[in-house]
Amino acid sequence: DQQVKQNSPSLSVQEGRISILNCDYTNSMFDYFLWYKKYPAEGPTFLISISSIKDKNEDGRFTVFLNKSAKHLSLHIVPSQPGDSAVYFCAALSGGGADGLTFGKGTHLIIQP
Amino acid sequence: KAGVTQTPRYLIKTRGQQVTLSCSPISGHRSVSWYQQTPGQGLQFLFEYFSETQRNKGNFPGRFSGRQFSNSRSEMNVSTLELGDSALYLCASIRDRGTDTQYFGPGTRLTVL
Repeated sequence: DQQVKQNSPSLSVQEGRISILNCDYTNSMFDYFLWYKKYPAEGPTFLISISSIKDKNEDGRFTVFLNKSAKHLSLHIVPSQPGDSAVYFCAALSGGGADGLTFGKGTHLIIQP
Repeated sequence: KAGVTQTPRYLIKTRGQQVTLSCSPISGHRSVSWYQQTPGQGLQFLFEYFSETQRNKGNFPGRFSGRQFSNSRSEMNVSTLELGDSALYLCASIRDRGTDTQYFGPGTRLTVL
């Protein structure tokens, strides 16, 4: 049973526009959420995180929104740049990280010129 | 500051053999987590080590084991390899524990023939 779901395997966005990547979760014990970016042949790179006590966190072009009642989070990238083309993973933690990160299966973001 | 190092980067083994993978975390980080990435299951948590002790373990058979040394370097071992063990094995370095950011290494690509 997948506890973290990224329902869009891929997403294509024009350069300069907003990219919105979505993630849903089922485990109400998750209290910390993270987004990672992964290029081929490299490990995931941490992008941004959010605690369950917040509903928004912003870092430069990246903003993560959390809707606890809907068990949904999203990553907004504005404006999208060619270097943003990568696979984006949503991940969640519970119990202070006791069970490791639970990852979604990723969304392949393609930024088109 | 040097990043997370994993060796070897690529490995080919045959069924029934065993394999040992190594991870050197970021200097000063005390915790190491291991993850397996496959196309079908995505990224899955294997185990976490903190101060030379296994803190948590994911849902993997006992053929998967690990250890951590006093300098925080970690090894994971897979015995009696099966074809399904072919995967990218990722190590994450964590400063302490809990919700500290996990910094991933480039991974070891294991192919079992």
